Amino acid sequence: NAGVTQTPKFRILKIGQSMTLQCAQDMNHNYMYWYRQDPGMGLKLIYYSVGAGITDKGEVPNGYNVSRSTTEDFPLRLELAAPSQTSVYFCASSWTGNTEAFFGQGTRLTVV
Amino acid sequence: AQSVTQPDIHITVSEGASLELRCNYSYGATPYLFWYVQSPGQGLQLLLKYFSGDTLVQGIKGFEAEFKRSQSSFNLRKPSVHWSDAAEYFCAVVIVTMDSSYKLIFGSGTRLLVRP
Repeated sequence: NAGVTQTPKFRILKIGQSMTLQCAQDMNHNYMYWYRQDPGMGLKLIYYSVGAGITDKGEVPNGYNVSRSTTEDFPLRLELAAPSQTSVYFCASSWTGNTEAFFGQGTRLTVV
Repeated sequence: AQSVTQPDIHITVSEGASLELRCNYSYGATPYLFWYVQSPGQGLQLLLKYFSGDTLVQGIKGFEAEFKRSQSSFNLRKPSVHWSDAAEYFCAVVIVTMDSSYKLIFGSGTRLLVRP
């Protein structure tokens, strides 16, 4: 089983560019999450989704957008990239939100 | 505000020694609590979880954790650390939102270093 798949694994963006981080899960999970991980800060929740068509803000949503048109996919959109968005981004999914979350391998993004 | 606090940024222990990683949460209701481990360059893997019932829970790789409601704590323990346990450990709590959905929040992590 593939589990949670994130693409790309690495990306360098210039300030002001935009991009979409892709996340797909094949476990038919209802919940999906996007986190960013910065050194010493742990994982901060950006956005989450409880099912197709339903998304909500997490702790640090500014500068990001999400959509959830299918159960499998939960892309994260960065508009007007800024150096403060340099981070490692993790996508995760879980069956009911209070069960084990499964994580992707992460996307390392650098904005220069 | 609901939160998870891991007061120790780094902990160093000798191989074979016991380990305790601290986690405190701030949440009004009975929480769903988790410990995850992250090896370098990897995603996170679940070690154990607490939902209800027995306050001492067993996990994978010989880890256990004890839920103490009076102290709002969920500390992770291992009686004898192996060099392969060197990693970053995250405590997490599931918060129930106003519209009854679940939000998974993480602490800032504790990096474990193991001395030979």
